Formats: sequence, structure tokens, C-alpha cells
Amino acid sequence: AQSVSQHNHHVILSEAASLELGCNYSYGGTVNLFWYVQYPGQHLQLLLKYFSGDPLVKGIKGFEAEFIKSKFSFNLRKPSVQWSDTAEYFCAVGDSSYKLIFGSGTRLLVRP
Amino acid sequence: EAGVAQSPRYKIIEKRQSVAFWCNPISGHATLYWYQQILGQGPKLLIQFQNNGVVDDSQLPKDRFSAERLKGVDSTLKIQPAKLEDSAVYLCASSGTGLAGVQDTGELFFGEGSRLTVL
Repeated sequence: AQSVSQHNHHVILSEAASLELGCNYSYGGTVNLFWYVQYPGQHLQLLLKYFSGDPLVKGIKGFEAEFIKSKFSFNLRKPSVQWSDTAEYFCAVGDSSYKLIFGSGTRLLVRP
Repeated sequence: EAGVAQSPRYKIIEKRQSVAFWCNPISGHATLYWYQQILGQGPKLLIQFQNNGVVDDSQLPKDRFSAERLKGVDSTLKIQPAKLEDSAVYLCASSGTGLAGVQDTGELFFGEGSRLTVL
């Protein structure tokens, strides 16, 4: 069965610090990988996605993620966070039917 | 472009009562999903529709939950009777253009959710 693990449940950073959120998945077939973000009081929205090709994908607002197949990982990174990045971040894995399995989420608090 | 609409935003009921949530997806989207998000957890898929047919309802507790998408557009999720552990946010999402020959980008568009509290 598919599963997604996000090891960091809460992360607190100061502005301009670098961010890396871990995501590991378990799935036997070809996967599509996603990061979604939920800003306070808003709905979930797509940050970035990986289907195939270049394993380093760039998303909105300066975020990027790297797919490492051998490690079953899809970690999210940003070189310099801003206060406005305070949100909850969800990693998700999907199959060809686009049915998504989500991780438990990481709450990021960025202090000004 | 209008997003995914859900109602009601909030609902408080007592256990054993019933509740219904409504979702109107983005116009033209063929696929509709209902997810349950319990506090502190990620969204869990309850049911996936493709047009008006069910693709996957393996995680739907069918003894108390039901969902329909009769005309392939909007959808209703019902819980009857509700239990305390059903307290959660119920998220509706849609994807795909529904147009033949147009590739689905795989992106799910979520509504703001319906928060259910069962007392």
C-alpha cells in the first residue's frame, strides 16, 4: 500500500534561514509526487509537482524539490524563507488515476 | 475562474444525527474527490468520482457515509448517523478538464472545506 512520511511535524525558522522539509514515500509503481501548501485560513494549493524528467523541480514562490528515486524521497527546499511562508506543507504521492495519498503535514512557522 | 465551492463551512451536530455536505467543482472538471482531514493529520481520500461514476470508494465507511454525483457535476457527501470520530474537515477537490484528448495536469484544486464538529 502507498504511504507518505513527513518526519518534521513542526519547524520554526527565522526569516532568511534555509528550509528543507523531508518527505519519504512507499509505493511499488511509477509515482507522481506533489507538495501542497495551506496558508492560514486558506485552502490547499499546489506548490509543485513531479511526474517525470528532471528530478529537480521548481515551484511557486522560490520553492523547489528533488526526487531521489533510490531514497524514495521528495524533499522540499527553499534557500531563504520569508514570514509569508508560514503555513502547513503536505507531501503527496499519486498514481495514474491521480488519487493522492497525503503525508501528515509539516507546520512551518517563520519568525520575522 | 471560480474555484471549488463547498457548503456549509461549519457544522456542529450531536452524535447519531445526520449531516450533508455539498460541493460544486470547477466547471468542466471530470474528476471529483472527497477527503477527510482529521486535526493533526493529512487529508485522507474517502471517494473519487469520474464524471458520475465511482472510481474508488475503498476508504469510505459505507455503513454511515454515502456520496453521490448524479449528474456528473456537483456532489453531496452524507454522514448518518454521525460519530464523535467523524469530527474533521471534509475537503472537496476536483481535477481534469473532462475534454477528450486534453491531458489532465494531475493538479487537484481544493475547496475551503466543511468543518464538522460532532458533540
